[in-house]
Amino acid sequence: DAKTTQPTSMDCAEGRAANLPCNHSTISGNEYVYWYRQIHSQGPQYIIHGLKNNETNEMASLIITEDRKSSTLILPHATLRDTAVYYCIVRVGTGRRALTFGSGTRLQVQP
Amino acid sequence: DAGVIQSPRHEVTEMGQEVTLRCKPISGHNSLFWYRQTMMRGLELLIYFNNNVPIDDSGMPEDRFSAKMPNASFSTLKIQPSEPRDSAVYFCASTFRAGAGNTEAFFGQGTRLTVV
Repeated sequence: DAKTTQPTSMDCAEGRAANLPCNHSTISGNEYVYWYRQIHSQGPQYIIHGLKNNETNEMASLIITEDRKSSTLILPHATLRDTAVYYCIVRVGTGRRALTFGSGTRLQVQP
Repeated sequence: DAGVIQSPRHEVTEMGQEVTLRCKPISGHNSLFWYRQTMMRGLELLIYFNNNVPIDDSGMPEDRFSAKMPNASFSTLKIQPSEPRDSAVYFCASTFRAGAGNTEAFFGQGTRLTVV
């Protein structure tokens, strides 16, 4: 699976959009971008995933650049409950291997 | 569905004792994963099962660790004998893996293990 690079930490004001970047310059054509988050003392939670088109669901939007070498997770209106560690993971969609978690980005939403 | 259920939520044991962690995956899911999380090493995959068969156990630290999945609705992770360095939060996750792609993985609340 391709390696990802994320900032260690970010701050965001409550009510504002949180934009979390992820670099995956070695991504292959059959690899998907997945985002998970882990709120303190809880198990990781799936947010969204995509291959090359932008995706949106009730939690977030995922913007993937045209060359697919980077992506941005957008939380449109961050709340205090969005404070968590966010993990960007790249893996083959039909692969038999499990998710591999890096260090992620610690997002602190400020009141 | 109640989600992935792990028990116990907290376990404190003495060094040398046997510890058994339990997991009930989401009904209908055919893949199950055991992860371990520590401050130093983050989230590490220990082992995963597909259709009750272990597929990749390369993350299991050593022979003191063993995992079983006797049926589709139950799995155990056993540590015997336990050591203080095994102290961590252990997560179980499940997903439905089909040939054309994977759905998202659902994680349990974890078991916090402390070995003294």
